[in-house]
Amino acid sequence: DQQVKQNSPSLSVQEGRISILNCDYTNSMFDYFLWYKKYPAEGPTFLISISSIKDKNEDGRFTVFLNKSAKHLSLHIVPSQPGDSAVYFCAARGFNTNAGKSTFGDGTTLTVKP
Amino acid sequence: DARVTQTPRDKVTEMGQEVTMRCQPILGHNTVFWYRQTMMQGLELLAYFRNRAPLDDSGMPKDRFSAEMPDATLATLKIQPSEPRDSAVYFCASGLVGPGVGGYTFGSGTRLTVV
Repeated sequence: DQQVKQNSPSLSVQEGRISILNCDYTNSMFDYFLWYKKYPAEGPTFLISISSIKDKNEDGRFTVFLNKSAKHLSLHIVPSQPGDSAVYFCAARGFNTNAGKSTFGDGTTLTVKP
Repeated sequence: DARVTQTPRDKVTEMGQEVTMRCQPILGHNTVFWYRQTMMQGLELLAYFRNRAPLDDSGMPKDRFSAEMPDATLATLKIQPSEPRDSAVYFCASGLVGPGVGGYTFGSGTRLTVV
């Protein structure tokens, strides 16, 4: 039973355009959501997060949107740059149950073409 | 920048041998995680510790895997005996758990190959 799903294994976009990465979750106890970026031969690095009390969080070129009723979140990157090419993991956790334990999706490989 | 240090970076071993992976978490972080990434799956949680006490190791095969945190500067993951299906990249991560504190810091991983 995969509680966090990233249904698109890969995404390719042109430099300067918007990248939209999607993530769905099934556990209604999740109340904190994160995106990580991973380059080859490195560990994931934290990118941006959102609490369930919000529906949007923005940090520079990165914006995360949360739709709780649909149990869906997305990461928007605008404008996309070649250096954004990496694997992006969606993660979710709950504060009140197994506090701190994050469940990850399988990742989406983003390729930004110059 | 503070970082999580994992050793060794790469490990090739023969089936049946014992493997020990080490992790130095960031000083002050109260939670340490062990994740595994295989070709077929995303990041799979094996075990984690809060203030050095094991909280959950349900993701580990109990008969061959063990995780310990002998002190605040060292976490270990041991496999005995190792099997080819254990081949994967093992990541350690540390974080300060609490409302709104953001993500965890991952190490660069130990790439384990069991032949």
